[in-house]
Parts: sequence; C-alpha cells; structure tokens
Amino acid sequence: DQQVKQNSPSLSVQEGRISILNCDYTNSMFDYFLWYKKYPAEGPTFLISISSIKDKNEDGRFTVFLNKSAKHLSLHIVPSQPGDSAVYFCAASQIYNQGGKLIFGQGTELSVKP
Amino acid sequence: NAGVTQTPKFQVLKTGQSMTLQCAQDMNHEYMSWYRQDPGMGLRLIHYSVGAGITDQGEVPNGYNVSRSTTEDFPLRLLSAAPSQTSVYFCASRADRGNSKNIQYFGAGTRLSVL
Repeated sequence: DQQVKQNSPSLSVQEGRISILNCDYTNSMFDYFLWYKKYPAEGPTFLISISSIKDKNEDGRFTVFLNKSAKHLSLHIVPSQPGDSAVYFCAASQIYNQGGKLIFGQGTELSVKP
Repeated sequence: NAGVTQTPKFQVLKTGQSMTLQCAQDMNHEYMSWYRQDPGMGLRLIHYSVGAGITDQGEVPNGYNVSRSTTEDFPLRLLSAAPSQTSVYFCASRADRGNSKNIQYFGAGTRLSVL
C-alpha cells in the first residue's frame, strides 16, 4: 500500500515558467514532509521541508504548500531554470513515532527546457 | 567535511554470493538508514538505526542484515545475493537534535547488479 504517491512520473516546463510538482499521502499521522532533488548518479539532496503545523514554507524560488484536509502537498518552483531538471521526491514522516522514518513517493522527473 | 560516504560505487555479484555495502558518516549523527531505489518505486527503507547498538527493520528488510557497532559506520550485508536485489542502494544519516534534526543526508549510492 503506497502511503505517499506522486502520480505524475514526468513534467516538462519552459524556462522562466512555474513548475508545480504534486504529492498525495494517505496516513494522517504524518507530521513532517520533505522534498528531495536527485540528479543522475548522485544521492538525493534535501530541498525544502514543512511541518504539519504550517501550510506554506518558502525558500528562495522554492515554495512548499501543505493541505492537510486533502492530504496533499505541492512544490512550486518559480522561475524554473534548466538546472532544476532532476527527479523530485516527496517524503513524509512521523517525527515522534516510528523513529522518524521517511516514506518516499515514486518521484517526478522535471525537465526545464531553455 | 565528507558527509555520508558509500563504498563501493558499483558492484556485480553472482547469485548466492555475499557482500557488504559500506556506509560511513562524519557528522556524528545518531540516526542512519539504508534505502533501495528501483524504477517506479521511489526509495524504500531497508533497515535503520537510532544509535550504536540499536537497529530495526524498514519496509523491505528480507535478505539484508545490518549492525551498528559505532556511531560512524552502518554496513549493509547481503548474505546470499538474488537477482531481485539488483538496485541502487543509498545510505543516509540524520541528527536527532538541532535545527536540521528532521533532515536526512544521503550518500552518492551503490549500484548493485546480481546476475
């Protein structure tokens, strides 16, 4: 049973436009969410996170939105740049239960075209 | 600061062979974990450890053993490799206190093929 789902395997956007990556989860006990970025032949690198007590967190061009009632989070990248082309994984955890284990979605491959 | 270091980067095994994937971190992190990444499946947790001497199973532990004798090292052992264990393996670590306590940092991965 996939507790974290990224239903779009791929996304293509034009440079300078907005990229929106989506993630859905089923476990209402998750209280911390993260986005990771992964380039080929490298390990995932942390991008941005959000606690369940917030609905928005911004870091430069990256903003994560959390809708707890819909069990949905999204990552907005504005403006998108060619260097943003990578696979993006969302992940969820319960900070104080289950050792804070991360449960990952399947990933969305973003391609930003010049 | 090297962060999380995994060795080897690539490995080819025959079915039934055993091997150990090495993982070391120099950030004095209490929490360490192993994931495998397969196409269309994201990253799945194999085993994790909340400190030296303490390990627990993740989502897909079968066929893998771990131990944690020191804070720095968390090796993953394949006792009898099977083709289903062909995958890319990532080790990660996390501090359990401080501002970045909920963020896991990943190594570059080990690409394993079992023939």
